[in-house]
Amino acid sequence: DAKTTQPNSMESNEEEPVHLPCNHSTISGTDYIHWYRQLPSQGPEYVIHGLTSNVNNRMASLAIAEDRKSSTLILHRATLRDAAVYYCILRAGGTSYGKLTFGQGTILTVHP
Amino acid sequence: EAGVAQSPRYKIIEKRQSVAFWCNPISGHATLYWYQQILGQGPKLLIQFQNNGVVDDSQLPKDRFSAERLKGVDSTLKIQPAKLEDSAVYLCASSLASGVLGKLFFGSGTQLSVL
Repeated sequence: DAKTTQPNSMESNEEEPVHLPCNHSTISGTDYIHWYRQLPSQGPEYVIHGLTSNVNNRMASLAIAEDRKSSTLILHRATLRDAAVYYCILRAGGTSYGKLTFGQGTILTVHP
Repeated sequence: EAGVAQSPRYKIIEKRQSVAFWCNPISGHATLYWYQQILGQGPKLLIQFQNNGVVDDSQLPKDRFSAERLKGVDSTLKIQPAKLEDSAVYLCASSLASGVLGKLFFGSGTQLSVL
């Protein structure tokens, strides 16, 4: 599985934007970039995914570098409920079953 | 829409005992996953089912762990005998589609403590 590198932790203030980086220099052409987050005492939840183009949904935006070797998850206005572990995951598009392999993730702390 | 249901929420056992976890996925979801999450780590995939067939169990310790999915719906994960290092949260997830675009929906997990 292609590997991702994320900072161990990041901090933000409430109502400010948050940019969570992810490096994936060994990404292959068929790998999709997925983001999940895990709130305390809960299972992970899907946030967003993309292949080449930037993506927006109600939760966040995903900015993908032109060479696809890095990406950034953007939370436009952080709230206390966004405090969680954020996982950047490469999911192989060339296989039938798209295995989802979690790394260590980034612990996001949001200050009031 | 009902989410992924798991039970029990907590379980405490002694080493060498056996334990079973139950998962009811979201209705209509053909793909079911069991993950193990040790404290401070990301979840690790143990087994993935497509309907009632196994498509990936490469990281399942088959000498002590077993899993089945009856009639392509509910699933059980069993550990026999348990070891201290099995203490973890066991997460069940399901997805409608099995491919790379299938979003996984996770349950809240079963927290296992082996003493």
